[in-house]
Amino acid sequence: GESVGLHLPTLSVQEGDNSIINCAYSNSASDYFIWYKQESGKGPQFIIDIRSNMDKRQGQRVTVLLNKTVKHLSLQIAATQPGDSAVYFCAENTGGFKTIFGAGTRLFVKA
Amino acid sequence: NAGVTQTPKFRVLKTGQSMTLLCAQDMNHEYMYWYRQDPGMGLRLIHYSVGEGTTAKGEVPDGYNVSRLKKQNFLLGLESAAPSQTSVYFCASSYTDRPVSYNEQFFGPGTRLTVL
Repeated sequence: GESVGLHLPTLSVQEGDNSIINCAYSNSASDYFIWYKQESGKGPQFIIDIRSNMDKRQGQRVTVLLNKTVKHLSLQIAATQPGDSAVYFCAENTGGFKTIFGAGTRLFVKA
Repeated sequence: NAGVTQTPKFRVLKTGQSMTLLCAQDMNHEYMYWYRQDPGMGLRLIHYSVGEGTTAKGEVPDGYNVSRLKKQNFLLGLESAAPSQTSVYFCASSYTDRPVSYNEQFFGPGTRLTVL
């Protein structure tokens, strides 16, 4: 069935290192992908998005990579900071109002 | 701009009680959504609205009702709460000046509901 999943439920990185959070999706018809950050006790916050006609998009300290061949999405965070500690989840849009959200990966940043 | 706000932040209900969750946005968004978030699961869409006076069912609508009487407000009602409705509820809204498939959603801070 359709699903958006994450390879790792938790990720621990040293402050200053780069973080890579992975996501697998199964619906080849999905054409829009989003990464959200959710801090404890808060609502999800949009980080970056990418359309299926692209394979890479960069933002401020973040990069999203899309590999449609293996249905894989990743979020790279450069120079990870303590403020980056949160749950990160990917989402795929399969058209219209149907957005499927993954369960999330918790990122811990060690000082 | 306050963005998307939700009231209340926390609520405890007994089985069978009713309540209404209020969502308000000040961004003049046409689209609004209600999601629930359960441990180990992604957000699931309950109901959504494409404009004032319109609502539609999402993925998990049973046991919930919604109303969009004003563009800026989207209400989620539980007529007879059940323990299975214990969850964190998020409201979101999004723009309409681009295809809805490419709209980022702006989320509220959430309402933590416990049904005993």
